[in-house]
Amino acid sequence: AQSVSQHNHHVILSEAASLELGCNYSYGGTVNLFWYVQYPGQHLQLLLKYFSGDPLVKGIKGFEAEFIKSKFSFNLRKPSVQWSDTAEYFCAARNNAGNMLTFGGGTRLMVKP
Amino acid sequence: GAGVSQSPSNKVTEKGKDVELRCDPISGHTALYWYRQSLGQGLEFLIYFQGNSAPDKSGLPSDRFSAERTGGSVSTLTIQRTQQEDSAVYLCASSSRSGRTYEQYFGPGTRLTVT
Repeated sequence: AQSVSQHNHHVILSEAASLELGCNYSYGGTVNLFWYVQYPGQHLQLLLKYFSGDPLVKGIKGFEAEFIKSKFSFNLRKPSVQWSDTAEYFCAARNNAGNMLTFGGGTRLMVKP
Repeated sequence: GAGVSQSPSNKVTEKGKDVELRCDPISGHTALYWYRQSLGQGLEFLIYFQGNSAPDKSGLPSDRFSAERTGGSVSTLTIQRTQQEDSAVYLCASSSRSGRTYEQYFGPGTRLTVT
């Protein structure tokens, strides 16, 4: 079965620290990959997406992610986090033959001021 | 423009009652999705509508769950004889099938509590 794994369930960082959240997927063939963010009390918002081309994808708010096909990974990174980045982050994948998104379990990030 | 809207934002119901949750997708979006976000289960796909095609119901957890989409726009998710394990946030998303982007835009969700 198709699945998406996020290995970090909770991450606590101080402001200005660098962030990397892991995401691995188990799909064969072509896959579309996404990172969504859910700020406290708000709805899911798209941070960035990968469909094809350059495996290093830049998103909003200084986030980026790198698609490494050989590792089935799509890790999210940000060089310097801010308190306002406190949120839950979800990695998601969509098989090119399917319709729905399969989500990872989410990572709760807390950034201490 | 207006995003995906859902109503009600919160619903408390007694075990065994039926509930209806509504989703208004972004105007012009032909694809509509329902997901469920619950503690311990994360975000799960429930059902997908695309235009006039038969819906993909593969994620519905039981036959107590059903959904319809009238006129290719508004969708209603119905849960019959609710159980406590149905307590969750029910999310609706819509997307445009133009091009290959298929980006899904999510609504704020309906928080369902079954007592």
